[in-house]
Amino acid sequence: EVQLVESGGGLVKPGGSLRLSCAASGLMFRTQNMNWVRQAPGKGLEWVSSITNDASYIHYADSVKGRFTISRDNAKNALYLQMNSLRAEDTAVYYCVRESGSFDIWGQGTMVSVSS
Amino acid sequence: EIVMTQSPTILSVSPGDGATLSCRASQSVTTNLAWYQQKPGQAPRLLIHGASIRATGVPDRFSGSGSGTEFTLTISSLQSEDFAIYYCQQFHNWPPYTFGQGTKLEIK
Repeated sequence: EVQLVESGGGLVKPGGSLRLSCAASGLMFRTQNMNWVRQAPGKGLEWVSSITNDASYIHYADSVKGRFTISRDNAKNALYLQMNSLRAEDTAVYYCVRESGSFDIWGQGTMVSVSS
Repeated sequence: EIVMTQSPTILSVSPGDGATLSCRASQSVTTNLAWYQQKPGQAPRLLIHGASIRATGVPDRFSGSGSGTEFTLTISSLQSEDFAIYYCQQFHNWPPYTFGQGTKLEIK
């Protein structure tokens, strides 16, 4: 069974940092392009960042550029999102998503709350 | 950035009836468009990709159509499990990948 499992969410103060992880199983992770998508409470979906299978191309939404860093470890079948200088508006559920022409496989999400 | 606009925001329909959801792109995305369904507390689920291709396991009462800037998701004979929020997303010109704001399909 193909599965993406996020972890690392939690409550953090404004200006703080958090590192999200996504463990992939049941797929050939090293060949997959991956993304992070977030959803603020009661709001719609917002693409955050993407990384190609070999990390040769990386993109960020303007809202997180310079603060967030996406990375991956293909040997560990893992995707990461390092989030620095967190703001209240970063509060959201963060989803790890496989991209294969569309966003076809989603994790269950991990909640990040930024509040003092 | 391509802006995706969905209408209506809320659609009230009776079980057994059909529903038509619309998505408009601010510029052509050809057929590089996907539809997702999201239920409360769950991750989104891919329904349609390539504007009209049903994803694996999606019932054939779901159909997508359109190209360019105008797209439609049609659900025939609504079942109780179909009441959810639906999002469209373009894959034509990125970054960023952009989503519509969603249409909530509710029971009338």
